[in-house]
Amino acid sequence: DTEVTQTPKHLVMGMTNKKSLKCEQHMGHRAMYWYKQKAKKPPELMFVYSYEKLSINESVPSRFSPECPNSSLLNLHLHALQPEDSALYLCASSYRGREDNEQFFGPGTRLTVL
Amino acid sequence: AQKVTQAQTEISVVEKEDVTLDCVYETRDTTYYLFWYKQPPSGELVFLIRRNSFDEQNEISGRYSWNFQKSTSSFNFTITASQVVDSAVYFCALSEGKAAGNKLTFGGGTRVLVKP
Repeated sequence: DTEVTQTPKHLVMGMTNKKSLKCEQHMGHRAMYWYKQKAKKPPELMFVYSYEKLSINESVPSRFSPECPNSSLLNLHLHALQPEDSALYLCASSYRGREDNEQFFGPGTRLTVL
Repeated sequence: AQKVTQAQTEISVVEKEDVTLDCVYETRDTTYYLFWYKQPPSGELVFLIRRNSFDEQNEISGRYSWNFQKSTSSFNFTITASQVVDSAVYFCALSEGKAAGNKLTFGGGTRVLVKP
């Protein structure tokens, strides 16, 4: 199994809703990542988990709350989002959190905030 | 601070033409890693290659080839005999040796459109 899966594929939510994005990998990778990508832009790193511990938070607003329940799962909890948070949210994993490890990406969740 | 520049925002070619994507990077580190990713319309970024800063060998994989030149801080990517399935956005990315965790700095991306 060499893939990263993400659910849901599409999500539409209101500004008062609470929702969660899920990411899963079974490659034995110990580093997992959340990225946000706006249209016609490169991905922007949000969070990095290494060995189930949060190692990087790129000053992301608290309305985004990551969680890593175990080495295979990564969640992103969403609450009180703004329309400008509409984007493609990509999950990735790598063997370890080392700079020479290539990251493998999931297909993304396309989020629309109304 | 590290930086990756992909000067070409969009390239349009006819099938079977060759296309070269430019990538220029800036870093103060002597150890760093360069990557190329492909993002088709489906959205998933597909890993293509990793190159270490201390390995300047060029690489060929099927119709893909990469030219790494430290002297000009460039890591260019060529698709030979392009096909419609090559239509995608291609990102060049840089990771430094001393980065905490694995932080990738992406270039702005080059959209490649291959017409039949």
